[in-house]
Amino acid sequence: TQLLEQSPQFLSIQEGENLTVYCNSSSVFSSLQWYRQEPGEGPVLLVTVVTGGEVKKLKRLTFQFGDARKDSSLHITAAQPGDTGLYLCAGDSNSGYALNFGKGTSLLVTP
Amino acid sequence: DAGVIQSPRHEVTEMGQEVTLRCKPISGHDYLFWYRQTMMRGLELLIYFNNNVPIDDSGMPEDRFSAKMPNASFSTLKIQPSEPRDSAVYFCASSLLQGAGEQFFGPGTRLTVL
Repeated sequence: TQLLEQSPQFLSIQEGENLTVYCNSSSVFSSLQWYRQEPGEGPVLLVTVVTGGEVKKLKRLTFQFGDARKDSSLHITAAQPGDTGLYLCAGDSNSGYALNFGKGTSLLVTP
Repeated sequence: DAGVIQSPRHEVTEMGQEVTLRCKPISGHDYLFWYRQTMMRGLELLIYFNNNVPIDDSGMPEDRFSAKMPNASFSTLKIQPSEPRDSAVYFCASSLLQGAGEQFFGPGTRLTVL
């Protein structure tokens, strides 16, 4: 099992602030997914990154896959209370195994 | 489609009792996954199926856990006997593809074993 370390574990910020969360591994992944999970619900896919160095934007969210495909970051600009949730990264090692999930970053955005 | 359906949403039981969790995947999805989520351990894969066949059950904690998928539209996760340390949220997810394929999660079953 390839470990995915997410940091920080918890983050509490005020509305309008910017933030970056990280997903790191010593293993190479063929692709990496980011999910957001709201309280009482299951995770929902935000984006999949496949190419090393790839950058994808989803409104105020910017996702980057590291050049070596071992790490990824999620940057949120001008955070809003609706961004509150648990952000999970999940890597596909393309070895025939299912996705490996990190433990997540729990984000709280207060008005 | 209604998405992945799980039942019950909440289950409270006493130690030693049998617990059965149920899942209906999205129609047409070939892969079905069972996960357990706790604060301490995060989201852990327990077992997954491809075309109703169990592929990897290495995440199943011990013999007290068993999972079945008798047909493409139904799966169960059974714990017998249940223990307090089994308390967690259990998720079922389905996908068209393995790996890079998007996984669609159900709302989860919150299990409390007293």
